[in-house]
Amino acid sequence: ILNVEQSPQSLHVQEGDSTNFTCSFPSSNFYALHWYRWETAKSPEALFVMTLNGDEKKKGRISATLNTKEGYSYLYIKGSQPEDSATYLCAFPMDSSYKLIFGSGTRLLVRP
Amino acid sequence: DTAVSQTPKYLVTQMGNDKSIKCEQNLGHDTMYWYKQDSKKFLKIMFSYNNKELIINETVPNRFSPKSPDKAHLNLHINSLELGDSAVYFCASSRPQGTNTEAFFGQGTRLTVV
Repeated sequence: ILNVEQSPQSLHVQEGDSTNFTCSFPSSNFYALHWYRWETAKSPEALFVMTLNGDEKKKGRISATLNTKEGYSYLYIKGSQPEDSATYLCAFPMDSSYKLIFGSGTRLLVRP
Repeated sequence: DTAVSQTPKYLVTQMGNDKSIKCEQNLGHDTMYWYKQDSKKFLKIMFSYNNKELIINETVPNRFSPKSPDKAHLNLHINSLELGDSAVYFCASSRPQGTNTEAFFGQGTRLTVV
């Protein structure tokens, strides 16, 4: 059974703090690892799709790293802002099909 | 322009009714999906179509029937609605270039069965 786990479940930080959270996935049969950002009352939006061990991706103040051998990815937010408040989801394709298995997400709240 | 649009956004209906949720994408993608957000807030895949052909069909009651009239549309029809069908349903689409293509989601349809 494929399991994608995210931690922590929720996180409250002050504006300006840097933060990070984890996505764990099975390290065998790796295809890709997706990160999505999901604001309340909106649709999930893709942040990164990572495919190579050691991959690092960056978009503004948000970056992600990938370790396929040990089965984890970290998402970092530098200098958190209130507009970063959202649920961050990671997703893992179960096989070579288009079927993404989503984690339950990390809910981030950034206090002004 | 909305890339992936679902209608309606909210749907309240009685048990036993039949209802449809429509989804359209204007991204030119070949692959479309239906996901259900369960009670624990997980997004779980229900169906996937590639070029109007069903390619993923998870263990979903056969009261749920997807229909893809063309590759830009994937509608979800639900027969004999039950209380447990209450959830938020998300449509999504992607280019079918393997597993490294991101999915684009609609805004969700909140279905409430009373």
